[in-house]
Amino acid sequence: AQTVTQSQPEMSVQEAETVTLSCTYDTSESDYYLFWYKQPPSRQMILVIRQEAYKQQNATENRFSVNFQKAAKSFSLKISDSQLGDAAMYFCAYRYNNNDMRFGAGTRLTVKP
Amino acid sequence: KAGVTQTPRYLIKTRGQQVTLSCSPISGHRSVSWYQQTPGQGLQFLFEYFSETQRNKGNFPGRFSGRQFSNSRSEMNVSTLELGDSALYLCASSSAGGHTGELFFGEGSRLTVL
Repeated sequence: AQTVTQSQPEMSVQEAETVTLSCTYDTSESDYYLFWYKQPPSRQMILVIRQEAYKQQNATENRFSVNFQKAAKSFSLKISDSQLGDAAMYFCAYRYNNNDMRFGAGTRLTVKP
Repeated sequence: KAGVTQTPRYLIKTRGQQVTLSCSPISGHRSVSWYQQTPGQGLQFLFEYFSETQRNKGNFPGRFSGRQFSNSRSEMNVSTLELGDSALYLCASSSAGGHTGELFFGEGSRLTVL
């Protein structure tokens, strides 16, 4: 079964500092997608970053980057220069082909001014 | 381009009633997925519709049902509501074929069952 595990229920970071959110997953597939979604309080979930498993290069979107370790089935999110607006629930997600997207339990990120 | 629209945003029902939630996907998207989000269980997949056909189904009782119309709009229905059905119901759409795998989410419908 394809599962996604986020072992950090809560994380805290000082504004302008860097924080890394962890995610591991389990799959027997070789070609799949991994995602990080952000859900601010009472607001809709939006995509932060996407990684295609066949690509060895780690994805980067401005201040957001990932460390994708395929063999270890690890997919961590690094947020650099943290901003107050980064405070949210962050969900790691996995999707294979057109199957349903599987989500981790989420990590609540607090940004301290 | 308009995003995913869900209605109603908030609703309160009592046990035993039924509820219908609506979702309009992004224009051109033919796949619509539904998720239930609760603090205890997180995000759980309900079902996915593609071109009016249910393509995937999660592990929910038959009280939860859905459908998709020819314009890709989707509805989900929950009959005989239970207290445990209180949740945020999220709809997400994706483009035909889902080559990027990405889901685009609506703001959700928050259901409270009393």
